[in-house]
Order: sequence, then C-alpha cells, then structure tokens
Amino acid sequence: GQQLNQSPQSMFIQEGEDVSMNCTSSSIFNTWLWYKQDPGEGPVLLIALYKAGELTSNGRLTAQFGTTRKDSFLNISASIPSDVGIYFCAGTGANSKLTFGKGITLSVRP
Amino acid sequence: EAQVTQNPRYLITVTGKKLTVTCSQNMNHEYMSWYRQDPGLGLRQIYYSMNVEVTDKGDVPEGYKVSRKEKRNFPLILESPSPNQTSLYFCASSLKSWTGFSYEQYFGPGTRLTVT
Repeated sequence: GQQLNQSPQSMFIQEGEDVSMNCTSSSIFNTWLWYKQDPGEGPVLLIALYKAGELTSNGRLTAQFGTTRKDSFLNISASIPSDVGIYFCAGTGANSKLTFGKGITLSVRP
Repeated sequence: EAQVTQNPRYLITVTGKKLTVTCSQNMNHEYMSWYRQDPGLGLRQIYYSMNVEVTDKGDVPEGYKVSRKEKRNFPLILESPSPNQTSLYFCASSLKSWTGFSYEQYFGPGTRLTVT
C-alpha cells in the first residue's frame, strides 16, 4: 500500500534556528498535507499542497510539493518554543485515500 | 465555532466491557474517520464513513465497530475491549472531495483509552 516516510523520528533544535523536514514516498502522490500535533491535542492542518512544484507559506512555515510528486518539504524559520510538537505529513495517492507519515517530534531548546 | 468533539476524553476500563466513544462535528462534513495513535506507529485509520449509512474499514478495523446514522455523529464501538486496544483515539471529519475521499481533515481532541 501507499506509505510515507518521515525521518528522523525526533529532532532537537535551538530556539531561533531554522529547521527543515521532508516526507518521501515510493509512489506518486497527488496532494500533500502537513499537520502539527501539540501535546495532548489532535493534529491541526498547517499547509495543504495540491500541485507539483507548489510552494506555500503560512507565517514562519513554508511547504513545497516536490516536482517528482514523490516528496514534500516543510521548513520552519526562526523557531520558537511553541513550535514543539509532532509534525505529520499526509497525502493522497492513486487510491485517493489519505495516508499519514509516522511523524517527527520536534523539540526546541530555549 | 467549527469543531469536532469527542467524549469521553479519558477512559479506563476492563477487558470485555463494551464501550462507546462518541464523535460529533458541526461543520456538515460528509466524511468522518477514526484513527488510533500509538508510539512509533503514527496515525492508523480504523474506519471511515463517506456519508450517512456508508462505512468502510480502514487499515486496522479488527475489534472495532462504527455506525453513521446521522451526518454529524460517528461513534466508535468496542464490543469486547482488550489491552491491545489501549491507545489514543482521534475522530476526524472533512468535506468529501470529487473522488469521494477526504483531503483536509479536522481532528477532535482525542480520547485516551486504557484497557486493563
């Protein structure tokens, strides 16, 4: 079935640093979504991408739909303590079902 | 306020005692879904529903039942819970895309279930 790969499982950065995460698939995806889950909460949609090559920003967050349609990237600039959480990528492929990656836990050191 | 609500938020129960976790959304979404989240495994879909009276299995449906009698509600039923169903459960809803499936899902706050 469709699978999305996110690694590493955890990332540790210093407050103020930029961080980049990627999500890859062995098959082509038609949409890419990035979610963030705060501790004790449900995932919240950050950015949705619908077109290969698309670059979309939401405040300090920027995400791109890879041109090969097999990957997506999320960048967070000038990180702050409230950026901590789990970042999930998700996408829909040939079967049109939404698939989630396993998530990356981000820690921000003050 | 547009939201997905789940009840209860926390539940401790014993093996074999039937339970229901309720989910309700006020956004008139056609598509609703249940996920479980376990450490290292991410979000795994249990069941989903594309509309009233239309439900289908996700990736890990064993041991669970659902029903969709009204558009806004999508309860998750564990007829005979077992310890391996101890997990964090999320309900989600979305509009239905032209393909019939969902893209931008809105999640509830989660239900932490412990089965002893």
